[in-house]
Amino acid sequence: QSVLTQPPSVSGDPGQRVTISCTGGDSNIGAGYDVHWYQQFPGTAPKLLIYGNKNRPSGVPDRFSGSKSGASASLAITGLQAEDEADYSCQSFDSSLTAWVFGGGTKLTVL
Amino acid sequence: EVQVVESGGGLVQPGGSLRLSCAGSGFTVSSNYMSWVRQAPGKGLEWVSIIYTGGKTYYADSVKGRFTISRDNSKNMLSLQMNSLRVEDTAVYYCVRCSPHSDPRFVNFGFWGQGTLVIVSS
Repeated sequence: QSVLTQPPSVSGDPGQRVTISCTGGDSNIGAGYDVHWYQQFPGTAPKLLIYGNKNRPSGVPDRFSGSKSGASASLAITGLQAEDEADYSCQSFDSSLTAWVFGGGTKLTVL
Repeated sequence: EVQVVESGGGLVQPGGSLRLSCAGSGFTVSSNYMSWVRQAPGKGLEWVSIIYTGGKTYYADSVKGRFTISRDNSKNMLSLQMNSLRVEDTAVYYCVRCSPHSDPRFVNFGFWGQGTLVIVSS
């Protein structure tokens, strides 16, 4: 069981908007630590997708956006494309554990 | 071009040891926060260890006392010495260059290597 909770899977039709939630607690997201998101395709290394709650690294399409409120964060993907089918993981810092923590990951399926 | 290349993975028996290495190029390992993150087969990502630019180190509870992170500045390399290995340590181990930040608690894992597979089995 991960410190940060994500839904195991989400799905959507091409062109739709989907969101992936990441729920933490008072010692991590709720304590004000940043949330970062990673995208991972099967058999490959993760790639930084969103950093500092809402910022996109160079080269990441603006169809991807992040937000944070209280002890939760969300990743939104608009204009869903087949190439977005991948695993998405959130990450933050936990002061109680003195550890950098991940969510369990969410598998996005484009129908 | 920034690159991190891991090596040293393989098959080891429970209780055994293994040393992973990570060669950095295009940047200076000692000037960055560097970390190891692992992923067990079919599972999510798990942070393992981090070393600060000043040399301070932290470990996940699951590996504390068994794993040691270190770096060789002369070779621009990062290492992870893994002792008393358990079956549950089986995973792909990624070497990661963390983003620069004034507060390491806020860093993200900005640049990943391709990973090296460690299998602990009898």
